[in-house]
Amino acid sequence: DVKVTQSSRYLVKRTGEKVFLECVQDMDHENMFWYRQDPGLGLRLIYFSYDVKMKEKGDIPEGYSVSREKKERFSLILESASTNQTSMYLCASTRTGGEYQPQHFGDGTRLSIL
Amino acid sequence: AQKITQTQPGMFVQEKEAVTLDCTYDTSDPSYGLFWYKQPSSGEMIFLIYQGSYDQQNATEGRYSLNFQKARKSANLVISASQLGDSAMYFCAMRGRGLGTDKLIFGTGTRLQVFP
Repeated sequence: DVKVTQSSRYLVKRTGEKVFLECVQDMDHENMFWYRQDPGLGLRLIYFSYDVKMKEKGDIPEGYSVSREKKERFSLILESASTNQTSMYLCASTRTGGEYQPQHFGDGTRLSIL
Repeated sequence: AQKITQTQPGMFVQEKEAVTLDCTYDTSDPSYGLFWYKQPSSGEMIFLIYQGSYDQQNATEGRYSLNFQKARKSANLVISASQLGDSAMYFCAMRGRGLGTDKLIFGTGTRLQVFP
C-alpha cells in the first residue's frame, strides 16, 4: 500500500515564525501536492511538484513556498506565519499519467498560528 | 471552467439504510476521472471509488457504488447498508487533462451522520 507520511499531526506556532511542514511518500510517485482545507471551502491546492526541483503554483500560493530536493520528500514552507494560515494541511502523491490514478493522502497536519 | 459541486452540506441516515450523496461536475474535457474520498474526524483522506468518463458501467467497490450519469454530468455516491463507521465527510473530486499535470479539483464536501 502507498504510504504518505506527514511529519506532524498537530502543530502550534507563533505569528512571524518560519514553519516547515514535511511530507514523505514511499511509492516512487512523480507528483506531490500540498492542499489546505478549511470548513465550507473543501480542499484548495497550494503548490504541486511533478518532478524533483520542479514546482508549480496552485490556486492559493500566496504566503507559501515549497521545496522538493528528493523525489520522495515535499516540504511546505510558511515564510512568516500569520493567523489566517491556521488550517488543516494535507499532502498527497500520485503517479503520472492516466485519469484513473487516485491521489494518496497523508493524515494531515492541523496547524494553529497564535 | 472545471468545477465540482456538492449541494448537500449535511446528510443523516439511519444505520442499515442506503444513502446517496450528490455530485455534479462541469468540464469540457472528453476524458476525465471522478473520485470519491472519505474523511473521518481523524483527518485522513481515504480513497473510496473511481469512475472513468469512458467507462460503460457504474463503478462499485463493496458497499460503495457510483451512479454515473454522463449526460447530466452527475456522479453520485451510493452507500448501501450504512454503518456507524460511515459517519464522515465525503468529497467528490475530478481529474482531467484540462486541469493539467494530474491535478484534482474537489467539491466542498458532504458531512454524513449515521444514527442507530
